[in-house]
Amino acid sequence: AQTVTQSQPEMSVQEAETVTLSCTYDTSENNYYLFWYKQPPSRQMILVIRQEAYKQQNATENRFSVNFQKAAKSFSLKISDSQLGDTAMYFCALKTQGGSEKLVFGKGTKLTVNP
Amino acid sequence: DVKVTQSSRYLVKRTGEKVFLECVQDMDHENMFWYRQDPGLGLRLIYFSYDVKMKEKGDIPEGYSVSREKKERFSLILESASTNQTSMYLCASSLTHNQPQHFGDGTRLSIL
Repeated sequence: AQTVTQSQPEMSVQEAETVTLSCTYDTSENNYYLFWYKQPPSRQMILVIRQEAYKQQNATENRFSVNFQKAAKSFSLKISDSQLGDTAMYFCALKTQGGSEKLVFGKGTKLTVNP
Repeated sequence: DVKVTQSSRYLVKRTGEKVFLECVQDMDHENMFWYRQDPGLGLRLIYFSYDVKMKEKGDIPEGYSVSREKKERFSLILESASTNQTSMYLCASSLTHNQPQHFGDGTRLSIL
């Protein structure tokens, strides 16, 4: 069975600073995908970034980047130059390649960006 | 952009009622999903469907059923609503081949 663990229920950061959200996972599969989703208050959940396990290079999307450590089964999200609009719940998710299309989600980290 | 539309943002029902939550996507996605989201528990999968009339149980299917008569529409049914089904319900859809899921706005359901 796959599991995803987010050990930080809540975090806060000052505007313009950098913050890193932690995620660890467990799977016996070798091929899988990892995702970070963002859910702003009372708004739709949207995809922030995705990483294919077979790619060694860490994914980057503008101010968002990941530190993917396959051997350690770690997938952290770094947000640079934090903005007030980054305030949201962030969910880490895992999907194994092939088979079911199910995603396994962590319990989320509530990030608050302070002015 | 993918549009996933849930029929209601807020819904209040009474214990024992049969409740229908509707979800429609406009991108011809094969896969559709129903989750419930509770504080401290994250998202838990109730049911998903990978084709018309096809469905699979997720992690917490008890007390729920689903219907997918058309590719674009996936309905979640609470056969006899109970107070412990008060929650936020999220619908999502995805293409196959490991594409990311796209979510609706959610339905906040209260069972009194």
